[in-house]
Amino acid sequence: EIVLTQSPGTLSLSPGERATLSCRASQSVSSSYLAWYQQKPGQAPRLLIYGASSRATGIPDRFSGSGSGTDFTLTIRRLDPEDFAVYYCQQYGTPSWTFGQGTKVEIK
Amino acid sequence: EVQLVQSGPEMRKPGESLRISCKGSGYSFSGHWIAWVRQMPGKGLEWMGIIYPGDSETRLSPSFQGQVTVSVDKSANTAYLQWTSLKDSDTAMYYCARLAPPAPLDYWGQGTLVTVSS
Repeated sequence: EIVLTQSPGTLSLSPGERATLSCRASQSVSSSYLAWYQQKPGQAPRLLIYGASSRATGIPDRFSGSGSGTDFTLTIRRLDPEDFAVYYCQQYGTPSWTFGQGTKVEIK
Repeated sequence: EVQLVQSGPEMRKPGESLRISCKGSGYSFSGHWIAWVRQMPGKGLEWMGIIYPGDSETRLSPSFQGQVTVSVDKSANTAYLQWTSLKDSDTAMYYCARLAPPAPLDYWGQGTLVTVSS
């Protein structure tokens, strides 16, 4: 089973700042089958990025994903007040999918 | 409009059985895998498994094999997650979500809160 480790655990930033979230895999993720989700309190997760760098339908272009192999990054170019949430990476390239433990982006 | 609507919150005692549901609409239910995801209180997301409504092919996470059963009634556009003997540790929010390759989980249900307590 591929273990995904996200860092940092918590990111304290101000609106307008740039957020950089990391997701490291214990082994290579096949064909960049790596996704990012956003979850706000009391809500279901929302798909942001799939295939490591493709934005899901309706996702603003301030969200971007990059990386391959074992190292992946989610960047939020300029934080909007609605972007403060928990973010999870997920790999779906093996028969047993896994999620990272999450990064909380909080208002500084 | 694609929608996944899950059954309501449930409260059970340890040892009891339970089945929760996830009804899809607005798309070809039989043609898209459905995933189940657990979120324990204050914790992260855990992938439980997936089922293909077209032929009921199932893949379960090793962590959940033998603990739960996933099934589907494609005539009712509904997927199910079932326990035969609940434990306190099954207390969690359970989400269903649709797979739409190349995207993984693009639409999610609202979640079903399961509380197991004596």
